[in-house]
Amino acid sequence: GAVVSQHPSRVICKSGTSVKIECRSLDFQATTMFWYRQFPKQSLMLMATSNEGSKATYEQGVEKDKFLINHASLTLSTLTVTSAHPEDSSFYICSARLPGQGGMMYNEQFFGPGTRLTVL
Amino acid sequence: KQEVTQIPAALSVPEGENLVLNCSFTDSAIYNLQWFRQDPGKGLTSLLLIQSSQREQTSGRLNASLDKSSGRSTLYIAASQPGDSATYLCAGAHRGSTLGRLYFGRGTQLTVWP
Repeated sequence: GAVVSQHPSRVICKSGTSVKIECRSLDFQATTMFWYRQFPKQSLMLMATSNEGSKATYEQGVEKDKFLINHASLTLSTLTVTSAHPEDSSFYICSARLPGQGGMMYNEQFFGPGTRLTVL
Repeated sequence: KQEVTQIPAALSVPEGENLVLNCSFTDSAIYNLQWFRQDPGKGLTSLLLIQSSQREQTSGRLNASLDKSSGRSTLYIAASQPGDSATYLCAGAHRGSTLGRLYFGRGTQLTVWP
């Protein structure tokens, strides 16, 4: 199956610093990637949809200036948490949509292993 | 707004039992649906994908079905094993979405004991 990697897997930082998380599709090209956040025992909450070569589409309530997304190539999207605070501590997961025949009719998504962010 | 409900929230069973996990969408206009498995502190592993032209999918001991008229999906796990212990999430792509975003349920936490 298609493989998606994330780096780093775990990061601990001080309040006020910025953290960059990378999401890579290793064996396929992904025109669309998604960024999610997951709090303990909660479901995944979509933060933004990242499209290669264009600005990301953010969900309501997600600050685009705080969570910067860059989809610079068909295999790489990055999420930068700027001026992180303890309330940003969470599990961040990306996914990449596997393109296929029929356009949106084949929409299987593959997920990265996640990044655990802890802000002190 | 699409809401996804998964029932039960938690399930604890002895090894060998056949299980049924349920998922329902408030808006039944789902054009495809995925079931995932998540182990503690890990990402999601795709288990089954039911595409718009399909009604069910099978992989090994897993079988998933989708009733589009009601917006309900069922994941059936046969002969459960301790290694099946994990959280199972369902997610659907809405027919009105042009970007294919998925709407997730909160999951069913499954524990299979020997």
